[in-house]
Amino acid sequence: QKEVEQDPGPLSVPEGAIVSLNCTYSNSAFQYFMWYRQYSRKGPELLMYTYSSGNKEDGRFTAQVDKSSKYISLFIRDSQPSDSATYLCAMSLTGGGNKLTFGTGTQLKVEL
Amino acid sequence: DADVTQTPRNRITKTGKRIMLECSQTKGHDRMYWYRQDPGLGLRLIYYSFDVKDINKGEISDGYSVSRQAQAKFSLSLESAIPNQTALYFCATSDPEKAGFGETQYFGPGTRLLVL
Repeated sequence: QKEVEQDPGPLSVPEGAIVSLNCTYSNSAFQYFMWYRQYSRKGPELLMYTYSSGNKEDGRFTAQVDKSSKYISLFIRDSQPSDSATYLCAMSLTGGGNKLTFGTGTQLKVEL
Repeated sequence: DADVTQTPRNRITKTGKRIMLECSQTKGHDRMYWYRQDPGLGLRLIYYSFDVKDINKGEISDGYSVSRQAQAKFSLSLESAIPNQTALYFCATSDPEKAGFGETQYFGPGTRLLVL
């Protein structure tokens, strides 16, 4: 079993839809949770990060962490074609000095 | 200009050849990383370096070696390439001064490697 599980998709939604992307993990020691966005033929870039449980909102994006269920989510409101990308969750044991463990990524396509 | 650059961007090589992938950064970060990305497997850490004198193996270091020539440069070598090493390779950097914010890593554009 992988340490971090993520549905690979592809996920196709119409413009304006609410998108929910999810990851589950097995290591309860993970404390920091991140979402990276990767456009085709580009490197991943950090989209959002959260520490421990709770929600964090940034514009159209909301990151949610439920440590009791070992489950994290990224919600995208009013999705746009420019949101079409692969979204990777990542997590680490501590805030620094420790490597990231990535999910396999979910490919999202937002259609006009 | 890009903060993290990788050369070459694409490379085709033959089984048994030695090749080097190079990474340079202008972000001034001490920490640098090499990952490979494969469909269905995600990003996997090959090697990482927390400063010029500190090199560490990641989860899949067999068949690879690295060199940290300077704070800004981190090279990945495949001593004798095999088809199984066909993948997308990424270099990344991070700043320990901001480590409390979750080890944000900044990725280069990637090198697409095909081993025939």
